[in-house]
Amino acid sequence: EVQLVQSGAEVKKPGESLKISCKGSGYSFANNWIVWVRQTPGKGPEWMGIINPSDSDTRYSPSFQGQVTMSVDKSISTAYLHWSSLKASDTAMYYCGRQDGIVALTGSHYYMDVWGKGTTVTVSS
Amino acid sequence: IQMTQSPPSLSASVGDRVTITCRASQSIDNYLNWYQQRPGKAPKLLIYAASSLQSGVPSRFSGSGSGTDFTLTISSLQPDDFATYYCQQSYSSLWTFGPGTKVEI
Repeated sequence: EVQLVQSGAEVKKPGESLKISCKGSGYSFANNWIVWVRQTPGKGPEWMGIINPSDSDTRYSPSFQGQVTMSVDKSISTAYLHWSSLKASDTAMYYCGRQDGIVALTGSHYYMDVWGKGTTVTVSS
Repeated sequence: IQMTQSPPSLSASVGDRVTITCRASQSIDNYLNWYQQRPGKAPKLLIYAASSLQSGVPSRFSGSGSGTDFTLTISSLQPDDFATYYCQQSYSSLWTFGPGTKVEI
């Protein structure tokens, strides 16, 4: 079974650092980019960025550039999302997802076909 | 690219035909995906490339549209379908999601 298993819920104080993880199994982890998405209650998901497990090529949303760092250890099929100094506004659910896609006559269509169950991050003093 | 959805929520009964609309702030051709999110769960891919049904998704779900206007239709609402639905564009490398449509009993 193809799955992404995320690390457990975290409760942190402002200014602390944090790294959450997303471990893939059931497929060749290096073959698909991993997407990170943030979601706060009652809102739509926000695309944070994407990382290529094969070479660690990373693209960030301007909204998250400089706020988080994405990394990957392909030897253990695991992607990470890291904060060096958390803020209360980082409180949210964070999902990782596998990017897959198809090649059509009109171009390549990409989507997130497998999602982790999410990691809740709570930042509070 | 900004995505909007209407309505924000709707009430329906089992067996009803339900249509949700998604609009993009500029043309995105057919680079549009739909996801379903049940309470406390991760989103699940339903439709990609505006009208292609993801493997394993029931055929009562269908998508249509191109350019700026898209629809997701559930032909006969089932109990499992009460959830929030999100559209998402992949035309731009900076993906954006809509605010969601909550389908309630």
